[in-house]
Amino acid sequence: GQSLEQPSEVTAVEGAIVQMNCTYQTSGFYGLSWYQQHDGGAPTFLSYNALDGLEETGRFSSFLSRSDSYGYLLLQELQMKDSASYFCAVRDTPVGTDKLIFGTGTRLQVFP
Amino acid sequence: GAVVSQHPSRVICKSGTSVKIECRSLDFQATTMFWYRQFPKKSLMLMATSNEGSKATYEQGVEKDKFLINHASLTLSTLTVTSAHPEDSSFYICSASRAGVDEKLFFGSGTQLSVL
Repeated sequence: GQSLEQPSEVTAVEGAIVQMNCTYQTSGFYGLSWYQQHDGGAPTFLSYNALDGLEETGRFSSFLSRSDSYGYLLLQELQMKDSASYFCAVRDTPVGTDKLIFGTGTRLQVFP
Repeated sequence: GAVVSQHPSRVICKSGTSVKIECRSLDFQATTMFWYRQFPKKSLMLMATSNEGSKATYEQGVEKDKFLINHASLTLSTLTVTSAHPEDSSFYICSASRAGVDEKLFFGSGTQLSVL
C-alpha cells in the first residue's frame, strides 16, 4: 500500500532550526511536496522536489533522496507563526493528474 | 496567486439531510479538482478526483452514492453529502491545480460539517 510517515510532533524555540522528516513507500513517485497548515486553515504550498538534492526558498529548504525514499523540510530562524502542521505529499502518478498522497503530518510547536 | 473559494465554511445539519459544498477556482480554470476529508489533527485523506465534464474518480472505500461530486464547469466542483449521519461529521477541503503551470495545489478554506 501507499504510506508516507512523518514524526507526529516536533518542538523548538524561536530562532532555532528544525528538520522534519518524511519517508515514503508508494507505487509510483513523481515528486515530493511540502504543505503547511495552521489549525482550522487551508494547507498552503511550501516546496517541491522532483530530483535529488536541496531546494531553498527563503527560510525554508526541502531535501529529497529518491534512492532512500526520504525527504525532509528544514526551517531556519524559527518564528512563532511557524507553529503549524507540516505535511509531505507524493505525486504517485505522472505529471498531468496532480493527484497527491499526503503524509501523516508533523505538528510543530515553536516556543518563545 | 491562484485562489480557491469554498463555501460554506461551517454547516450544522440534522441527520438524514443532504449538504452541498461548493468549490470554485476564482482566477484560473481547473479541469481537475480534488476533495479531501480531514479529522482533527490528522492527515488529509483523498476522497475523490473531480474531472470537468466527466464522472468523478473515487478512492477505495469512499461511497460514491454517499458523496456525490459534480464538476459542471472549469471553475466549479460540488460535493454533496447525501443522507448525512453523525459519522460524516468532518472537515472537508477541496483543492485545484493549474495543470501545466506548476506543481502546486491550491486549497479552499475548508468546510466543517457537523451532523446532529
